Amino acid sequence: SQQGEEDPQALSIQEGENATMNCSYKTSINNLQWYRQNSGRGLVHLILIRSNEREKHSGRLRVTLDTSKKSSSLLITASRAADTASYFCATFRGGADGLTFGKGTHLIIQP
Amino acid sequence: SAVISQKPSRDICQRGTSLTIQCQVDSQVTMMFWYRQQPGQSLTLIATANQGSEATYESGFVIDKFPISRPNLTFSTLTVSNMSPEDSSIYLCSTEGVNYGYTFGSGTRLTVV
Repeated sequence: SQQGEEDPQALSIQEGENATMNCSYKTSINNLQWYRQNSGRGLVHLILIRSNEREKHSGRLRVTLDTSKKSSSLLITASRAADTASYFCATFRGGADGLTFGKGTHLIIQP
Repeated sequence: SAVISQKPSRDICQRGTSLTIQCQVDSQVTMMFWYRQQPGQSLTLIATANQGSEATYESGFVIDKFPISRPNLTFSTLTVSNMSPEDSSIYLCSTEGVNYGYTFGSGTRLTVV
């Protein structure tokens, strides 16, 4: 079952602007991951943040994690048209569990 | 990280028939996972497949409808049985990746008519 909610469900911004997406979850986690999906294809792993980490950077991506609020945010800086995609957060609780996905944010970058 | 080859990439099937989806991994992995993504929705875990044991199904998914095979550490199949239009979805396999993120196949887009 889906663990969390993401907001906004859809986001449209101009190229060059920053895009922020939020994710909330319900149970304790081992780590939280963000994925990108282009046009209903396979998912591409973007970044993983562990439960004992608060912030992580990778290129134009910045992820924060607040375990007290059970929430995370993904910031994409200096957006590009190629960033147009759906973005999903996914939580991992540990052991032999698979990932539990949020509902996703559909991001559109206007050229 | 592992690379997964998933096929078919898409198929259109008649109701009442079955479709088997295959995932081949380029390295040995202990666990593989199967997900369903209904149109416009997020991913829902169907089952976890360990080599040498029966797959573990999530609530709402049963083996008779979604039988899974895991004959070795690099291969798995998911069969969607006795299909109905409600089974029209994208089906994805993935490997474990606790420390570096999971790797996903490219997905199978299934349309049942």
